[in-house]
Amino acid sequence: EAQVTQNPRYLITVTGKKLTVTCSQNMNHEYMSWYRQDPGLGLRQIYYSMNVEVTDKGDVPEGYKVSRKEKRNFPLILESPSPNQTSLYFCASSLSSPGDQPQHFGDGTRLSIL
Amino acid sequence: EDKVVQSPLSLVVHEGDTVTLNCSYEVTNFRSLLWYKQEKKAPTFLFMLTSSGIEKKSGRLSSILDKKELFSILNITATQTGDSAVYLCAVGGGTSYDKVIFGPGTSLSVIP
Repeated sequence: EAQVTQNPRYLITVTGKKLTVTCSQNMNHEYMSWYRQDPGLGLRQIYYSMNVEVTDKGDVPEGYKVSRKEKRNFPLILESPSPNQTSLYFCASSLSSPGDQPQHFGDGTRLSIL
Repeated sequence: EDKVVQSPLSLVVHEGDTVTLNCSYEVTNFRSLLWYKQEKKAPTFLFMLTSSGIEKKSGRLSSILDKKELFSILNITATQTGDSAVYLCAVGGGTSYDKVIFGPGTSLSVIP
């Protein structure tokens, strides 16, 4: 089954404790992206990757890191999480640029930073 | 600054009503406009529009794009309770050409 898998689905942690949210897709998609979703603000793009070893900042990259060492994986790293990063996070992938192809989304990761 | 605006932000209708959701945008290097439906979890794709005036249809849902006036509408006829969701409008393009900018969404509630 074609899917985007995120882990964990839920996480409660404390300020400053490094965490990684994993994202994996099995569709051989070139493009992968991370979003955060906050009430009233919709989905905001954090980082995206057009291909292996190619990453670029979205609209809200501060406080986040990503890497794309393999085509299928695109982890999101919070080196020193803060309470303002409490949010619902989505990973998404598409065959090519999302301007040319629709994205497939994971089920989301709800992060609470205390 | 690239932006996508949706209206209304929330809407409550009765089953059987017809609704029109609006999306306007100001995005550099426009490539396409996409509509997604978000129920409890992940957004799911509805339509992708690239050309003005060509209506896309899927069952009771339809959408059209006006690239001159920079807006799109999503119509849902004969609404059902299963249409209750947040409808997201997204525009592909942006300053780096490969970004995607989402609007805040329209929350639709269909009551029996």
